[in-house]
Amino acid sequence: AQSVTQLGSHVSVSEGALVLLRCNYSSSVPPYLFWYVQYPNQGLQLLLKYTSAATLVKGINGFEAEFKKSETSFHLTKPSAHMSDAAEYFCAVRYNNNDMRFGAGTRLTVKP
Amino acid sequence: NAGVTQTPKFRVLKTGQSMTLLCAQDMNHEYMYWYRQDPGMGLRLIHYSVGEGTTAKGEVPDGYNVSRLKKQNFLLGLESAAPSQTSVYFCASRLHNDGPSQFFGPGTRLTVL
Repeated sequence: AQSVTQLGSHVSVSEGALVLLRCNYSSSVPPYLFWYVQYPNQGLQLLLKYTSAATLVKGINGFEAEFKKSETSFHLTKPSAHMSDAAEYFCAVRYNNNDMRFGAGTRLTVKP
Repeated sequence: NAGVTQTPKFRVLKTGQSMTLLCAQDMNHEYMYWYRQDPGMGLRLIHYSVGEGTTAKGEVPDGYNVSRLKKQNFLLGLESAAPSQTSVYFCASRLHNDGPSQFFGPGTRLTVL
């Protein structure tokens, strides 16, 4: 079965530190890959997406993610965390037109 | 543009009651989706629609029905609510030829007692 795994349900970093949120997917076919952010009591906002163009994808708010086919990974990074980055982050994969699978989410806490 | 809107924002039901959640989008999107979000499980697709008058089952369709009578609206119905349907429900939409991105509504928090 196709699945998305986010390693770590909760990640805590200090302000200014590197943010690394991990996502692995199961697939033999290169999919579409996404990272979404959810702030409290809000819907999901698209951070970035991979659509088989460049393997390093830049998104909003200084985030980027690298697609590594050999590792079936799509980890999200940001060089320097800001307090406003505290939120829940979801990795998602779409294999065909309507089969979109989400990871369980990673809650990012940023300490001052 | 309002984007994707959902009505209501909150609702409390008793077991066995029925209700309908409304999703509306003003972006002329063909595809619309209903998801539920539960702690530690991400979002799971309930039903979706690829156009007016069409609907299809997603990953967790049992206990729900949907209708897409108008292109801009996608309704999610619970005929006989159960406590297991306590969740946050999100609607999403996208253009069929606009790549893979989905736009999400703000969510409806439903509690079934």
